[in-house]
Amino acid sequence: EDKVVQSPLSLVVHEGDTVTLNCSYEVTNFRSLLWYKQEKKAPTFLFMLTSSGIEKKSGRLSSILDKKELFSILNITATQTGDSAIYLCAVESNEYSGNTPLVFGKGTRLSVIA
Amino acid sequence: DGGITQSPKYLFRKEGQNVTLSCEQNLNHDAMYWYRQDPGQGLRLIYYSQIVNDFQKGDIAEGYSVSREKKESFPLTVTSAQKNPTAFYLCATSILFRGGGYTFGSGTRLTVV
Repeated sequence: EDKVVQSPLSLVVHEGDTVTLNCSYEVTNFRSLLWYKQEKKAPTFLFMLTSSGIEKKSGRLSSILDKKELFSILNITATQTGDSAIYLCAVESNEYSGNTPLVFGKGTRLSVIA
Repeated sequence: DGGITQSPKYLFRKEGQNVTLSCEQNLNHDAMYWYRQDPGQGLRLIYYSQIVNDFQKGDIAEGYSVSREKKESFPLTVTSAQKNPTAFYLCATSILFRGGGYTFGSGTRLTVV
């Protein structure tokens, strides 16, 4: 059974801090790992990672995948109150032709206080 | 604008009543999904459909039913058999045979009293 474990489940930091969110996974026939940010309603896409060791970066956010150790991290530098959200990690597999549904972790709830 | 419309945004129902949540998309995506989100639980898959007139159960399908009569529409019915239906429900779509994750709707918050 495919599984995604995120840690920590919740985190409170002060503005300006740097945070690292963790995601480990077990999946048959790995295809990709995705990070989403969920503020109030619909999750919004952050990164998709398919290759090991290649960092994806967008502004203050970055993410990297380690396919040997089966984990990914999401880094946020110089955090702002607008970064407060639930961060979801999901994995996609290639079990058969078609789209295997994403398997999500429980999410990390990040709170950034001024 | 292309996107996913979930309606209603908020829904209140009495215990024992069936209720149907709407999900409509104009993205021309083949696959559609229903997830349930509870506090601290992430997203759990209820049902998904890759083509019209076909759908598969997810991890927590008991007490739910779906239909896929049109490519654009994937309604979810929460039946009285669902023991704890109060939750946030998210609909998502994706392009078949191409990875890259989902497009999400804005969700429906269902409260059963």
